[in-house]
Amino acid sequence: GESVGLHLPTLSVQEGDNSIINCAYSNSASDYFIWYKQESGKGPQFIIDIRSNMDKRQGQRVTVLLNKTVKHLSLQIAATQPGDSAVYFCAEPQGSGNTGKLIFGQGTTLQVKP
Amino acid sequence: DTEVTQTPKHLVMGMTNKKSLKCEQHMGHRAMYWYKQKAKKPPELMFVYSYEKLSINESVPSRFSPECPNSSLLNLHLHALQPEDSALYLCASSQARARMPQHFGDGTRLSIL
Repeated sequence: GESVGLHLPTLSVQEGDNSIINCAYSNSASDYFIWYKQESGKGPQFIIDIRSNMDKRQGQRVTVLLNKTVKHLSLQIAATQPGDSAVYFCAEPQGSGNTGKLIFGQGTTLQVKP
Repeated sequence: DTEVTQTPKHLVMGMTNKKSLKCEQHMGHRAMYWYKQKAKKPPELMFVYSYEKLSINESVPSRFSPECPNSSLLNLHLHALQPEDSALYLCASSQARARMPQHFGDGTRLSIL
C-alpha cells in the first residue's frame, strides 16, 4: 500500500537559519503532495502543495522540492522564525485521489532556538 | 484564522452522555471530513461527505454518528464513548472530494471520563 514517511521526528534549528524537513513516499504513481503545519492547540494549516509535473514550487519563505527519481520531497523554510515552531506533516491523496482520503506522514516537530 | 469553524473547542463528557460536535464552513466546499487525532500522531480519517452524502466510513464504531444537514454544516453525534475515544477531533473541507487541498478547523479537544 501507499505510505508517506518523514525522516526525522524532531528538528532543532537556530532562529534565522534555514530549515529542511524531509518526506519519503512509496508510490511512484503519486502525483500530488501537500505540506501542513500544525501549531500547538490548532488544526493542520495548509502551507504549500506540489504536483508531480513540477520539481520545485516556492511560496512565501517556503520552498517544496520534489525528487520523483528517489521518491522524496522536502520543505525548506528560509530564515526560520520562532513562529515556525510546529509539527509539519507531508500528505498525499490515497490511490487516484478520487476518494478524498489523505495519507499523512508521521510528522516532524520543528523547534526554533532563539 | 481558519475558515472552518468547530464548536465546542473543548468537551468533557462521561461515558453515558450524548453530545454533538459541530463544524461549519462558508467557502462553498462540497466535501467535508471528520478526522481523529491522538497526541503526537497524524490525523486519521473517520468519515467523508460528498455533496451531503456519506461516501466513506473508515470502519468507525457506531457510537460515532455523522450528519451533514446541508452543504455548510457537519455534525458528529457522540454516544456511549469510551476513554480511548479521548482525542482531538478535526473537521476539514475541500472544494470537492477529489479536489485538494483540504482545509482544517482547529478541532474539538474531547475528554471522556
